[in-house]
Formats: sequence, structure tokens, C-alpha cells
Amino acid sequence: EDKVVQSPLSLVVHEGDTVTLNCSYEVTNFRSLLWYKQEKKAPTFLFMLTSSGIEKKSGRLSSILDKKELFSILNITATQTGDSAVYLCAVPGLDSNYQLIWGAGTKLIIKP
Amino acid sequence: DAGVIQSPRHEVTEMGQEVTLRCKPISGHDYLFWYRQTMMRGLELLIYFNNNVPIDDSGMPEDRFSAKMPNASFSTLKIQPSEPRDSAVYFCASSPPGRFTDTQYFGPGTRLTVL
Repeated sequence: EDKVVQSPLSLVVHEGDTVTLNCSYEVTNFRSLLWYKQEKKAPTFLFMLTSSGIEKKSGRLSSILDKKELFSILNITATQTGDSAVYLCAVPGLDSNYQLIWGAGTKLIIKP
Repeated sequence: DAGVIQSPRHEVTEMGQEVTLRCKPISGHDYLFWYRQTMMRGLELLIYFNNNVPIDDSGMPEDRFSAKMPNASFSTLKIQPSEPRDSAVYFCASSPPGRFTDTQYFGPGTRLTVL
């Protein structure tokens, strides 16, 4: 059965710290992996990754995919209180007709 | 583009009443998804459409839920009769055709409270 597992489930750090969030997956016929940020509203799209080893970057956020070891990481450097959110990882899976299989999310809290 | 539009943003109703949630997807997107999110169960896919045709409604909890997409720019999710356990945030999302079809863009959601 296709699945997506995120770790840690929650994380508390201080402003300025760097964090690394993990997403591992087991899906048949991998196609892409997506990261979303959810504050107290709708999930907003961050990155879509399809190729191993190619870093996607947006400001202080970056992400990379390892298709051999079946995981992705999301890095946030110089964290700010505005980065506090739930970060969701999703992968389209063959078992679900390529609809997104969602991880449970990592709740990130940045303390000032 | 205005993004995915949902209405109402908040709905409070009493058990047994009919509830209709509305969604306008991003223009040009050919997939539309209805999700429900709760603290206990996270994001659950209820149903999705491709080119206005329902493809998979296996996530719809029971017959009280129904969804329609009469045209490319409008969809509804109806709950009749509503029950307190239906209280959740309901999101509509859409995705484009082509190589970025996996990328779903979410509307602001409708927070439904059934008393």
C-alpha cells in the first residue's frame, strides 16, 4: 500500500535556528513529491520535486529529493516566527490513481 | 488569477439541515478536488473531477454527501441531512493539465459547524 511518512511530527526551535523536516515515501511508480505549508488556513504550495539530487530553493526554504532512498527533506534556514506552520508532504500514488497521498505533517513552532 | 474561490467561508447550521458548499476553480485547471480536514483525520480526499466528470468518489463518507460539477468553473458539495460529526474545514482544490498536474492549489476553505 502506498504511504507517506513525515518526521518529526512536531518541532519547537528558536528564531534563527535551522530546521530539517523529513518525508519518506513508498509508492508504486513514483512521479513527484510535493511540499505544502499550512498555517491557520489552506495549504499553500511550496515545491514539486521530480528528480533526485536537484535542490529547489525559495528564499530561506530549500528541498531535495533522494529517489534511491525514497525520501525528501525540507530545510528552513534562519527561521522566523512566520515560519511557524504545519508542513505537509504529499506524493501521488498508483494505488490511489495518482491522487495525492498526504503525510500527517510536521508542526513547526518557532519561538522568538 | 484570483485563485480557487470558495463560499461560504464559515457556515453554522443545525443538525438535519442541508448544507451546500461552493467552489470556483482556477481558470484552465481541469481537475477539481474536494477535501475535508479535521484534527483527528487530517486531510481526506472526498471526491475529484476531471473535465467536470466525477472520477472517484470513494472518499465520500456516505449517501448524505453529494457533489456536482455542472461546468468547468463551478462545483458544489452538498450534505443532506447534516450531522455534528460533519463539522470540519472543507477545502476545494484544482490542478492544471500537463506536467504540473500533480500540483494542487487550494481554496481558503469553508469551516462548517453543525450544532
